[in-house]
Amino acid sequence: KQEVTQIPAALSVPEGENLVLNCSFTDSAIYNLQWFRQDPGKGLTSLLLIQSSQREQTSGRLNASLDKSSGRSTLYIAASQPGDSATYLCAVTNAGGTSYGKLTFGQGTILTVHP
Amino acid sequence: SQTIHQWPATLVQPVGSPLSLECTVEGTSNPNLYWYRQAAGRGLQLLFYSVGIGQISSEVPQNLSASRPQDRQFILSSKKLLLSDSGFYLCAWRGQLRLVVGAVNIYGYTFGSGTRLTVV
Repeated sequence: KQEVTQIPAALSVPEGENLVLNCSFTDSAIYNLQWFRQDPGKGLTSLLLIQSSQREQTSGRLNASLDKSSGRSTLYIAASQPGDSATYLCAVTNAGGTSYGKLTFGQGTILTVHP
Repeated sequence: SQTIHQWPATLVQPVGSPLSLECTVEGTSNPNLYWYRQAAGRGLQLLFYSVGIGQISSEVPQNLSASRPQDRQFILSSKKLLLSDSGFYLCAWRGQLRLVVGAVNIYGYTFGSGTRLTVV
């Protein structure tokens, strides 16, 4: 059974800092890994998606890396801004299996960027 | 463009009342559709998924049911709500995201805006 863990559970940083969010998964047989952002009371917004054959993806100030063999991914946020404050969720889709395309989520990291 | 609609945004229902949440997808055909629930203080849990009309798979036993009467419509229902059914319900579809990395189109998830259900 796939399990996803995110560390830290919460993070508070001053504006302008670079930061790293961590995600680990127990079953390395994944199809892809997706990072989402969730604002309070809102749905999920997809940030980055990394296929199992890829090592990293970049979008603006965000960079996500994937080390499938060790079961780890990191989300790097450069020059953080107060608008980055949200919960960040990591989720993996397993390859094959009977639950077609099922996403397994971590518990999330609550990020607060203060001015 | 591909969009996903979910309604209502907020719902307060008494215990024992019925429930119907609707999700529709535009701009794609034969999508895989999913219902997730996010309970207070807990992570996102997959409730149901559907790979086609009339095809529903349940991940966990519960008081809820799902139906897919049309290709791009996914409905979450209950005959009698329990207090434990309270939570944030999210509909999602899995398909090709509108991005190309290198020359490869990628299949990923797009989520709806969610329904906040409070059972009182």
